[in-house]
Amino acid sequence: NAGVTQTPKFQVLKTGQSMTLQCAQDMNHEYMSWYRQDPGMGLRLIHYSVGAGITDQGEVPNGYNVSRSTTEDFPLRLLSAAPSQTSVYFCASSYSGGLLETQYFGPGTRLLVL
Amino acid sequence: AQKVTQAQTEISVVEKEDVTLDCVYETRDTTYYLFWYKQPPSGELVFLIRRNSFDEQNEISGRYSWNFQKSTSSFNFTITASQVVDSAVYFCALSGRGNTPLVFGKGTRLSVIA
Repeated sequence: NAGVTQTPKFQVLKTGQSMTLQCAQDMNHEYMSWYRQDPGMGLRLIHYSVGAGITDQGEVPNGYNVSRSTTEDFPLRLLSAAPSQTSVYFCASSYSGGLLETQYFGPGTRLLVL
Repeated sequence: AQKVTQAQTEISVVEKEDVTLDCVYETRDTTYYLFWYKQPPSGELVFLIRRNSFDEQNEISGRYSWNFQKSTSSFNFTITASQVVDSAVYFCALSGRGNTPLVFGKGTRLSVIA
């Protein structure tokens, strides 16, 4: 198993550009989520999905869109990038919700918005 | 609302010293899970341990041990005989019933000096 994979590893964008951060897992996990990590802030939840076709907002959803058309993939879309979205983005997955299962994280995508 | 507090922002110890990382949580759920993750300088998030709210037994894994006390809402992490490879940011996290996403503390940066 490759586990949770994320692409790209690093990206530079200009303000106003759009892009999609990719996340995939090959463990047949139902639950997937996106977090952003900023210095001194820990990890904050952006969006999550409890299964294909179902998504919900986390703590900091503004400026981001998600969709879950398959169990394996959970892309995060930045509609119009802003410098405040400069961060490290982590995707995570688990068999079900947080109660029973440990979430496993991808390697992260470092995003710089100029 | 759920909350995790890691009051220690940074800790620096000399190799072979013991060190305890504090974690205090808030939740109204009676069933919940607590987690510790390690983030080494390479940036990935590594799962260390999960404890459920019904099991207050302390856990030991090699040089790592965890002290869970519901009476004080704490889940502290101790590293015995610290090593340089233990240098990392350590996150405590909490999840509750159902599909409640993980809530992270802001992390404690541990530096172990040779």
